[in-house]
Amino acid sequence: AQKITQTQPGMFVQEKEAVTLDCTYDTSDQSYGLFWYKQPSSGEMIFLIYQGSYDEQNATEGRYSLNFQKARKSANLVISASQLGDSAMYFCAMIPRGRDDKIIFGKGTRLHILP
Amino acid sequence: KAGVTQTPRYLIKTRGQQVTLSCSPISGHRSVSWYQQTPGQGLQFLFEYFSETQRNKGNFPGRFSGRQFSNSRSEMNVSTLELGDSALYLCASSLRGTGNTIYFGEGSWLTVV
Repeated sequence: AQKITQTQPGMFVQEKEAVTLDCTYDTSDQSYGLFWYKQPSSGEMIFLIYQGSYDEQNATEGRYSLNFQKARKSANLVISASQLGDSAMYFCAMIPRGRDDKIIFGKGTRLHILP
Repeated sequence: KAGVTQTPRYLIKTRGQQVTLSCSPISGHRSVSWYQQTPGQGLQFLFEYFSETQRNKGNFPGRFSGRQFSNSRSEMNVSTLELGDSALYLCASSLRGTGNTIYFGEGSWLTVV
């Protein structure tokens, strides 16, 4: 069965520090996509970064990077130089590619950036 | 370009009533999916539409239904509302679904009293 696990329900990080949000996944598919979304208190889910299972390089988008370790089935999100506006819920998600299957989400990590 | 637009943003309904939520996808996106988010259950997939056809469905009772129009706009309907239906309902769109990046709207906050 497909599953996403985020083991950190909440995290407190000092502003300007780097932060790593953990995500492990379970799938028997060879081809899949991994995503991270940010959800502020307003409710909107904001797409942050994508990693394909066959991508050899780790994905980066500005201050966000995805530490992809395929053998470990790990897709951790790294936020460099955290800002107060980074305080939000963060969701890791996965979807098989090439199949009409639905995206699955982890339970999320609540990140608090401290001034 | 405009993002995913959901209306209404907030609404309060009474048990037993029905509700219709609307979603306009990003221009050019043909796949629209719907999700329910509650504190207890997290994010749960409701259904996905592609080119006016329901392509995938989550594990929700038949009270939850949806449809997609020829312009890719989508609506979801919940009939005979229950207190447990109180949730944030998120709509998302993608070019083709199936592995493409999914972009979400701001959601519709539904409270059932």
